[in-house]
This record gives sequence, structure tokens and C-alpha cells, in this order.
Amino acid sequence: GEDVEQSLFLSVREGDSSVINCTYTDSSSTYLYWYKQEPGAGLQLLTYIFSNMDMKQDQRLTVLLNKKDKHLSLRIADTQTGDSAIYFCAESTSGGSYIPTFGRGTSLIVHP
Amino acid sequence: DAGVIQSPRHEVTEMGQEVTLRCKPISGHDYLFWYRQTMMRGLELLIYFNNNVPIDDSGMPEDRFSAKMPNASFSTLKIQPSEPRDSAVYFCASSLPGARVDNEQFFGPGTRLTVL
Repeated sequence: GEDVEQSLFLSVREGDSSVINCTYTDSSSTYLYWYKQEPGAGLQLLTYIFSNMDMKQDQRLTVLLNKKDKHLSLRIADTQTGDSAIYFCAESTSGGSYIPTFGRGTSLIVHP
Repeated sequence: DAGVIQSPRHEVTEMGQEVTLRCKPISGHDYLFWYRQTMMRGLELLIYFNNNVPIDDSGMPEDRFSAKMPNASFSTLKIQPSEPRDSAVYFCASSLPGARVDNEQFFGPGTRLTVL
């Protein structure tokens, strides 16, 4: 199976919260990342969390990490149409020179 | 800084032709990555370089694909001969260990390749 898995699509109404989920297999992961890809562009790092943290908040973004279940989530509060994009979960380890392993991406569609 | 620069942005070619994609990483970054993105397979790491040396090319799909990095500011990904199944968006990314977070990758805008 894939090292990093995430659902492919999520549709939400503008103003609601979005929660994008991800599971990974490497228990030695050091960093976990969320990258955002807007239409026609490359990926851009949105936020990240160290593996020794449970939660990280950055304005409308909340990252939750459950190491026991190897589960990562990204919550976007008050989702806007500008948040429509593909969101990639990724993990890296020191043993892998911190080269990220990416999931396949979740397409977030925000409708009015 | 202009960011990672890729050229061309779009390429349409016929099956059997040689295709060369180009990348200029961010100055000072010592890692360079080539990815391929398709609907079917998602984002695939093809090869990456450290200080111009190829480190891992296990993601290169076939011998038709080759990549070079002759100097710190330039890399190419070549497909010869190209096939319709090579149609994808190809991304180049660069990174610098010790940045905001270790190995944060900075992606170029991608080259959309269509092989007819």
C-alpha cells in the first residue's frame, strides 16, 4: 500500500469548516507537512508539524497529529472559495534525509 | 528571488520525438527534485540531486527518461522517445536543508507535456 494515504475529494460550503485527513505508515516520521497546490501552479508549503507535537494552530488552520494511529488532519475554519485547491499530506524522516513522501492529494471544492 | 524557473510551460509533441524540460533552482539550494503529476498516479518523485549529483533515480520510469544537472543552476529532464503515456505535468523543486523547516521544497510552476 501507499506510504501516505488521503481521500481524493472533499466538497464543502463556503463558511463551513473543512477537515482533510491523512494516514501514514512510517512510525519514525519526524516532520509532517501540508502542501497546497492552486490551479495551474506548483505545490507550496502551507504548514508543518513536528512529530513530538499534537497540535499546531496558525490563523484559520489547525493541524492535529495522532502518532499512535499515524493520523494527520488539517482543519480550515471559515472555508473560502480561495481555499479551493489540492492539499497534499507529506511526511519525512531524518533517515531519509528529510525528503518528503507525498500523498496523492485531496481536491477541496468550496461552493457558495 | 524569482523562485524555481521551469521551461517550457507547455509542450505539445508527437510520439517518438525527443522532449527536454529545463529547470533553474533557487540560488543557493543544494537539492533539486523532478516530479511527475498525473490524475491516475498522483505526484511521483522521479529523481533528485544533491550538490549536482544524482542521489536516487529509482522513480525514473524507464530508460527513455534521463536527467542531468551539469551545474548548480541548471537541470534537464529528457524523454527520448516520448510516448502518449508520458503526458503529465512535470515539476521541478529545490530545497535547502536548514530552511524554515528541513527540506521545505519550493516548486516551480510545472511543464504541461502533451504527447500526441
